[in-house]
Amino acid sequence: DTAVSQTPKYLVTQMGNDKSIKCEQNLGHDTMYWYKQDSKKFLKIMFSYNNKELIINETVPNRFSPKSPDKAHLNLHINSLELGDSAVYFCASSQERPSGRKETQYFGPGTRLLVL
Amino acid sequence: DAKTTQPPSMDCAEGRAANLPCNHSTISGNEYVYWYRQIHSQGPQYIIHGLKNNETNEMASLIITEDRKSSTLILPHATLRDTAVYYCIVAGNQGGKLIFGQGTELSVKP
Repeated sequence: DTAVSQTPKYLVTQMGNDKSIKCEQNLGHDTMYWYKQDSKKFLKIMFSYNNKELIINETVPNRFSPKSPDKAHLNLHINSLELGDSAVYFCASSQERPSGRKETQYFGPGTRLLVL
Repeated sequence: DAKTTQPPSMDCAEGRAANLPCNHSTISGNEYVYWYRQIHSQGPQYIIHGLKNNETNEMASLIITEDRKSSTLILPHATLRDTAVYYCIVAGNQGGKLIFGQGTELSVKP
């Protein structure tokens, strides 16, 4: 009964390749996020989608493109992978409260990406 | 940049209370204090949040000072499984944006 799931758990690939990471949540939440955690363990938000609409887009290279086919899924596609893309990518989801707040987020287990 | 300051590391004896401090002197009136933790190799886990009143749930208690410039997360009876990095985050109506700082690495020892 995993609440937020990600696939794959591990991804090893060559520079220049294109890859996708998938995320699914079964919590009925309306907002989903992608975070990146680098080798120094800093965790930083990349994107968020609310009901399939992009609402947060941090300074992320255009090679990263989130895609939300429905509100339970938010996939991350990465073109022309670079060495610096190696990191752990976490998906998260939350439900917007009547006040508009949505900071109580539930995170997936992470996808460990290694670019060689 | 994170709006919070936390000690980089702390130790706690198993079974004792772990008190994790956080300074957030620039917190604004509509911002909440959130606590998350990240156990090694896992995704961050929500613990608790509060605005100005103290809060308690099954995981922890949150004590917020009256001026709201600092708070303390209390794990009443720490276990070895509570060993993790604990993040104190100040967040408001920013579309759910959480800004993680370096956190406090809590080591619970037998």
